[in-house]
Amino acid sequence: SAVISQKPSRDICQRGTSLTIQCQVDSQVTMMFWYRQQPGQSLTLIATANQGSEATYESGFVIDKFPISRPNLTFSTLTVSNMSPEDSSIYLCSVVPGGGTQYFGPGTRLLVL
Amino acid sequence: AQSVTQLDSQVPVFEEAPVELRCNYSSSVSVYLFWYVQYPNQGLQLLLKYLSGSTLVKGINGFEAEFNKSQTSFHLRKPSVHISDTAEYFCAVSEEGGKLIFGQGTELSVKP
Repeated sequence: SAVISQKPSRDICQRGTSLTIQCQVDSQVTMMFWYRQQPGQSLTLIATANQGSEATYESGFVIDKFPISRPNLTFSTLTVSNMSPEDSSIYLCSVVPGGGTQYFGPGTRLLVL
Repeated sequence: AQSVTQLDSQVPVFEEAPVELRCNYSSSVSVYLFWYVQYPNQGLQLLLKYLSGSTLVKGINGFEAEFNKSQTSFHLRKPSVHISDTAEYFCAVSEEGGKLIFGQGTELSVKP
């Protein structure tokens, strides 16, 4: 398994600003993912963030809006840029430490006014 | 392309009754299957998983699920639910440990 922490746990932001979310894992992992969970909805994958390469974005998500950094095997950041109220969501990071099982962080609850 | 369908958006049930949450998937290749639970205002917790082997898998909190390849289903069951089982349950599929595709979720509401 893996222990994952995220910062901040929640935030309230003004439209037009940007927020950077941090994800820290207690062990080195190759595969790391970022998901979005809009209010009352399921989870949607934003991007796959592997160390040493650029993130791979899913359809509907672009790097200019959601830039991702992955400087090492235990850490990643997701930035939500030029925010609008539609970006209000829970943002979760997850990792696959091995064996095919994906573990999730506690999430960052974002409200954009 | 993979997809996951959770057939019930809400399941109300009385305490100590049995429950089944239904999940069907579509994929052209072998998959891994998961059930996650999300308690109010919390993150996702893994309930159980099917990677290979026995088609009946047991998870935490008394839950179990059965993988049925011919029916492409992975239904979640518990013989007797508790108030504390009230939560949102998500079925998910991945191809050999890659990205997860989630169903829309089933809200389980256990009433006294």
